[in-house]
Amino acid sequence: EPEVTQTPSHQVTQMGQEVILRCVPISNHLYFYWYRQILGQKVEFLVSFYNNEISEKSEIFDDQFSVERPDGSNFTLKIRSTKLEDSAMYFCATALAPGNEQFFGPGTRLTVL
Amino acid sequence: GESVGLHLPTLSVQEGDNSIINCAYSNSASDYFIWYKQESGKGPQFIIDIRSNMDKRQGQRVTVLLNKTVKHLSLQIAATQPGDSAVYFCAENNNAGNMLTFGGGTRLMVKP
Repeated sequence: EPEVTQTPSHQVTQMGQEVILRCVPISNHLYFYWYRQILGQKVEFLVSFYNNEISEKSEIFDDQFSVERPDGSNFTLKIRSTKLEDSAMYFCATALAPGNEQFFGPGTRLTVL
Repeated sequence: GESVGLHLPTLSVQEGDNSIINCAYSNSASDYFIWYKQESGKGPQFIIDIRSNMDKRQGQRVTVLLNKTVKHLSLQIAATQPGDSAVYFCAENNNAGNMLTFGGGTRLMVKP
């Protein structure tokens, strides 16, 4: 069964450093999403992405965040200057179309020290 | 603001019993709802969905009920098994389908 994969599984970084989280979508999916989950809290939407453009973003997704699909396969989330409060699980999700089931990856645990 | 929320943070059931997990939503315009299961250290896993033109939908051992009058959603798990132990989230997909709004989660604990 096809699945979404994410790397790395765990990233530890110093405050102020840049991090890039990577996602490989299911091959025929065209809609991509990033969510985050702070420990013990609910999953929160960050951004949706289609046709090389952001479709929608939340208040969390400020100008420290960016997304791109640099090579037609990977879908990345960059945090330019990490803050302590960025520590969370970051989940990538992909879908065939909006309103269809979103398939989630296993997540990347980001720890900012 | 609009929100999707859960009534109970923790539900403990005996193996073999039926489980019911509840969710309330406040956006009466919502038209698509999904239940996700999240096991420790893993991403959310789709369980079942329902659109607002339906009241009930059944899957394998799971049933989702939608009551639009009181804006309430429930997930019923029949013959609960230890493998069902996880956190369950309801989520709302907005009309454009561009984002999921998750509820706070209910932890289901199955006692052998």
